[in-house]
Amino acid sequence: GAGVSQSPSNKVTEKGKDVELRCDPISGHTALYWYRQRLGQGLEFLIYFQGNSAPDKSGLPSDRFSAERTGESVSTLTIQRTQQEDSAVYLCASSRTGWEGEQYFGPGTRLTVT
Amino acid sequence: DAKTTQPPSMDCAEGRAANLPCNHSTISGNEYVYWYRQIHSQGPQYIIHGLKNNETNEMASLIITEDRKSSTLILPHATLRDTAVYYCIVRVHGSSNTGKLIFGQGTTLQVKP
Repeated sequence: GAGVSQSPSNKVTEKGKDVELRCDPISGHTALYWYRQRLGQGLEFLIYFQGNSAPDKSGLPSDRFSAERTGESVSTLTIQRTQQEDSAVYLCASSRTGWEGEQYFGPGTRLTVT
Repeated sequence: DAKTTQPPSMDCAEGRAANLPCNHSTISGNEYVYWYRQIHSQGPQYIIHGLKNNETNEMASLIITEDRKSSTLILPHATLRDTAVYYCIVRVHGSSNTGKLIFGQGTTLQVKP
């Protein structure tokens, strides 16, 4: 079946502009996660959605970052007033529930802030 | 979640078994051991997980020591396509868990012809 998809695959933006990244999880997966991976670094957790529960936003690095999820489907990650340090690959993952740790990752969106 | 320690890099000859170690000496009784890998320029891929029994699937085997303080991921016949960064992660299951995975630096496995 279809895996996790993300769009766009690449995004180049000027410093100070807002960007919106999209994630389509696997159908039926109630849990959705956003991670960030800077060049040569490991993954950093950003935010987690589980069903209708309040999201875990503990990984968001600043109030310029926000995310929404419509029910148990699409999620968008918004970065306002982008900075050069926001340049990274943004990865989305989904899982059947948040109970277990088997997560399925999308290909990521490579964001470059110039 | 408990901290894990992995060697930064390993080499393996193509066709031979790759044995990737992981130390998790502070693991608690309700924490599972998960393995993921990340091939260059791709998102991480789930490989296998276990609690205390050894596990095997079509990708790999997971051997967990009796005291659960360490584990080994075994790729029985490594191919060039197995070249990747391998991450060992320990994580509880349960409603109190936020769901996130905490990735360390992992082991870069280089499979050589």
